[in-house]
Amino acid sequence: GIQVEQSPPDLILQEGANSTLRCNFSDSVNNLQWFHQNPWGQLINLFYIPSGTKQNGRLSATTVATERYSLLYISSSQTTDSGVYFCAPGGNGNQFYFGTGTSLTVIP
Amino acid sequence: DARVTQTPRDKVTEMGQEVTMRCQPILGHNTVFWYRQTMMQGLELLAYFRNRAPLDDSGMPKDRFSAEMPDATLATLKIQPSEPRDSAVYFCASGLQDTQYFGPGTRLTVL
Repeated sequence: GIQVEQSPPDLILQEGANSTLRCNFSDSVNNLQWFHQNPWGQLINLFYIPSGTKQNGRLSATTVATERYSLLYISSSQTTDSGVYFCAPGGNGNQFYFGTGTSLTVIP
Repeated sequence: DARVTQTPRDKVTEMGQEVTMRCQPILGHNTVFWYRQTMMQGLELLAYFRNRAPLDDSGMPKDRFSAEMPDATLATLKIQPSEPRDSAVYFCASGLQDTQYFGPGTRLTVL
């Protein structure tokens, strides 16, 4: 399967700060998703982004498939952004491979 | 607002008992996934289906786990017999094309 590395593993931010989360993957991918797991355990789909850049409010993501990485940007962070962010690249057949996540804590 | 539903949300059982977890995928989705999440192993793919046919269950301990889709509205994951090391949160996800949407999970505790 595809190996996925996410960095940093842990991140603590002051409310209002910006951050960049990185995801490196070991092989060519056809798909890539970013998920947020909130403190209650729910996994929420943030972006489907196999290549290029997308934005949704304060969040944006960029995938450079040829260089095998993806970035998730969080601007003006809020306490509700706390949780774990997972990158999940996928090959053929809808199978996704999850990284170990970046645990984000936003403090007021 | 279409969602993946899972039952039960919490299950406490004793070692050796059978456990059945159920998932209702989002209507119209053609892929269904079962994942297990633990602190030690993170999110592990157990099995997935496309159009109700099992495509990959290599992540699943075959001797005690089984996954089925008796119809398009129901996916099941069974553990028999259960063991304490099976304690985890089990997620079901459904998808169409290239995305996945997760259910709330079943928290399983095997004593």
